[in-house]
Amino acid sequence: GENVEQHPSTLSVQEGDSAVIKCTYSDSASNYFPWYKQELGKRPQLIIDIRSNVGEKKDQRIAVTLNKTAKHFSLHITETQPEDSAVYFCAASSSASKIIFGSGTRLSIRP
Amino acid sequence: DTEVTQTPKHLVMGMTNKKSLKCEQHMGHRAMYWYKQKAKKPPELMFVYSYEKLSINESVPSRFSPECPNSSLLNLHLHALQPEDSALYLCASSHGAGQETQYFGPGTRLLVL
Repeated sequence: GENVEQHPSTLSVQEGDSAVIKCTYSDSASNYFPWYKQELGKRPQLIIDIRSNVGEKKDQRIAVTLNKTAKHFSLHITETQPEDSAVYFCAASSSASKIIFGSGTRLSIRP
Repeated sequence: DTEVTQTPKHLVMGMTNKKSLKCEQHMGHRAMYWYKQKAKKPPELMFVYSYEKLSINESVPSRFSPECPNSSLLNLHLHALQPEDSALYLCASSHGAGQETQYFGPGTRLLVL
């Protein structure tokens, strides 16, 4: 079946440095790739998404890149801040209504 | 209103109880979802309703029974649950049934004793 692999599972970076999280998907029909941030005890919240007709998208300190040939996409957070600490989930969608989530990355920002 | 709401926030039930989880959105979304999330794991899709009709059922045990009374409401009826069903149950909605952004509710934290 379809799956999405996400790495690393945990990531610790110094405040102000950049963080990169990578995902690989198996279903070549996937064409929508959202990223969700989930703080402890809270709901997942969309932070950025990208569709397959675009290679890169940026929103302030957050950017996502997509390589359809290699079937991987990445989340880049620059100038990290303490409030960026959370679990981040990538996801891929290839069919109506169905999203497959990655296993998550726990990001910690060291002061 | 730009939020998905869920009630109750917390629920403790015995294995013989019957309870219901409720979800509501007033964003005009026509697709609604139920997910189950265990600690330190990603959300797992359970059910999808598209235009008030069940379109996806991910082989969920029959002790979970979804219901969509109208386009704004989604219920999950629980009966004879097992302790391993303890989890965070998340509701989500999206504008349509295609590959669109899903907006999550705050979840109901369920404990089955």
